[in-house]
Amino acid sequence: GAGVSQSPSNKVTEKGKDVELRCDPISGHTALYWYRQRLGQGLEFLIYFQGNSAPDKSGLPSDRFSAERTGESVSTLTIQRTQQEDSAVYLCASSLGQVSVGETQYFGPGTRLLVL
Amino acid sequence: GEDVEQSLFLSVREGDSSVINCTYTDSSSTYLYWYKQEPGAGLQLLTYIFSNMDMKQDQRLTVLLNKKDKHLSLRIADTQTGDSAIYFCAVSNQAGTALIFGKGTTLSVSS
Repeated sequence: GAGVSQSPSNKVTEKGKDVELRCDPISGHTALYWYRQRLGQGLEFLIYFQGNSAPDKSGLPSDRFSAERTGESVSTLTIQRTQQEDSAVYLCASSLGQVSVGETQYFGPGTRLLVL
Repeated sequence: GEDVEQSLFLSVREGDSSVINCTYTDSSSTYLYWYKQEPGAGLQLLTYIFSNMDMKQDQRLTVLLNKKDKHLSLRIADTQTGDSAIYFCAVSNQAGTALIFGKGTTLSVSS
C-alpha cells in the first residue's frame, strides 16, 4: 500500500491479557517508530528501529512492553498483562532515515486500545 | 529530558489569522516540525523548519523560529473551517532517533 498501515484498528481487551499490535511501514523505509497517545495528550515515544541496528527502547514504559521488527518490514508491539492505564492510541510511523537529518515521519492511522 | 509546551486551545473566526505557539527546552534539534491531526484521521506533517532559519513561508502557513527564546510559532492566514484540527509541535530527541511532541493545540474555527 501507499502508506503506513496498522492492525487492528480497534482492540478491546480485559485487564491482564496480552495484546499484539501490528505495523506495516512504507516499503523501503528503514526507520520505524512506535508512539503512544493517551486521551488529550501528545505523542509519547516508545521505541525506534533503524535497519539492522539495535533498537532504541528508551521510551518503553515497563518490561511489559516489547517490540520486534523483521528486517525492514513488519513490526509488532506486544503488551503483556495489560493494565487499564495502557488504554491509548498506539501509533506507528516510518521514515526513509533519521529525523535528525530531516526525514519525514509518515504515521499510520493507529490502533485504539481499550483495557477494561 | 526534552520538553515541548503548547497552549491547549485556540478559537478564531473564519478569515482571521491563527497563531499557535510552542516552546521547547532542548535546542539540539536540527529540524522543528508542525503536525496536524484531524478527527478520525492520522497525524499529518504540515510543515517543518531547519534550525538555522528564522522563518519559513508555505502558502497560508508561516513558521517563525526564535532560537534564543526556544520559541516556535505557526501562523495560518485566512483561517478556514477546514483548518479545525489539533496541531502538534515536535522536535527531535537528543539521540535524533524520534520526535518529542507537545500535547497539541486544538484549533476551533467558527464561521
